[in-house]
Amino acid sequence: AQTVTQSQPEMSVQEAETVTLSCTYDTSENNYYLFWYKQPPSRQMILVIRQEAYKQQNATENRFSVNFQKAAKSFSLKISDSQLGDTAMYFCAFMKHGTGNQFYFGTGTSLTVIP
Amino acid sequence: GAVVSQHPSWVICKSGTSVKIECRSLDFQATTMFWYRQFPKQSLMLMATSNEGSKATYEQGVEKDKFLINHASLTLSTLTVTSAHPEDSSFYICSAEAPYSNQPQHFGDGTRLSIL
Repeated sequence: AQTVTQSQPEMSVQEAETVTLSCTYDTSENNYYLFWYKQPPSRQMILVIRQEAYKQQNATENRFSVNFQKAAKSFSLKISDSQLGDTAMYFCAFMKHGTGNQFYFGTGTSLTVIP
Repeated sequence: GAVVSQHPSWVICKSGTSVKIECRSLDFQATTMFWYRQFPKQSLMLMATSNEGSKATYEQGVEKDKFLINHASLTLSTLTVTSAHPEDSSFYICSAEAPYSNQPQHFGDGTRLSIL
């Protein structure tokens, strides 16, 4: 079974600053995907960024980037120039490659951006 | 594209009643859908995998007779909470696999279930 660990239950960051959310996972799979999802108070699940395990290059999406360390099984999310709208729960998720596969979610990190 | 609609968004009902939650893929066909449960300030926990035309696969600890799942068409899966009790109150989220999408799964907006 796969496990995903987020060791930071809560974090805060000053507006316009940079923050990094941690995620580690455990798997014996070689082909998989990793994701960061954002869940604002509206409870909608919003995909922030994804990373294919076979790609060495770290994924980036505008202000969001990841530091993917496959050997260490680490997948952290960096948010640059934090905005008030970034305030939300952030979930790290693992999925095996292929169809019909479920997500394994971490326990989440509650991020608050302080004006 | 790849929109998943979940209905209702919020339901309040008396203890002992059954509640049906619908999950629809609006612009694509989904052979596989997933049902999650989320308690306040906790993560999403997979309850079951719903496959069109076959029985759902339930996760360990999830009561099949309590949480009935039906996936009768390629665009609709339903979750029925039978004889609901206050401990069943939670946030329920569905997701659907979307072929040829840049996302492996698309999530509904969730259903807040409150049992009095």
